[in-house]
Amino acid sequence: SQQGEEDPQALSIQEGENATMNCSYKTSINNLQWYRQNSGRGLVHLILIRSNEREKHSGRLRVTLDTSKKSSSLLITASRAADTASYFCAPSGAGSYQLTFGKGTKLSVIP
Amino acid sequence: GAGVSQSPSNKVTEKGKDVELRCDPISGHTALYWYRQRLGQGLEFLIYFQGNSAPDKSGLPSDRFSAERTGESVSTLTIQRTQQEDSAVYLCASSFIEGPFNYGYTFGSGTRLTVV
Repeated sequence: SQQGEEDPQALSIQEGENATMNCSYKTSINNLQWYRQNSGRGLVHLILIRSNEREKHSGRLRVTLDTSKKSSSLLITASRAADTASYFCAPSGAGSYQLTFGKGTKLSVIP
Repeated sequence: GAGVSQSPSNKVTEKGKDVELRCDPISGHTALYWYRQRLGQGLEFLIYFQGNSAPDKSGLPSDRFSAERTGESVSTLTIQRTQQEDSAVYLCASSFIEGPFNYGYTFGSGTRLTVV
């Protein structure tokens, strides 16, 4: 399995602003997944984008994928204090059942 | 069940004691995973089960750690002779594997283990 590298490591924004987090990976993928973690407990699966997709939306979340650059971004629009969490990307390749997580991006949304 | 259930939620144990952590995956999920997360750190992979067998146990940090899964359901992670460096949140996840691909994990809420 391969690990995604999230950037930036930490991000602090005002409520209502947009937050953008980036992910880079090294080898070819079948899909890439984004997760959120609140307060050091279980991660929550947010969105999955397949390798043949370029953009995907889910509510206030927008994910893009550029396989030529081996990178993805997660955009949270109109952020809320409740979006404060750590965000992780997980690239997944064929036969790679185990996901490897990086250190994540720690997002703080200030009310 | 509706989600992945882990027990206990919190466990405080004395150094040198053995502990057992339990994970109940989502019914029908063939794959089950254990991760460890120390305070302020990322997730550290421990072991992966496909059915009742463990094709990848490369992440187990020492022979004090073992895990089993029975009935393609419940899994138990056992830590023998606990040490203070074992203090962490232990996370379990399950997933449904379709062909050669993984389409996403469902995590439990974790067990916070404190070794004193």
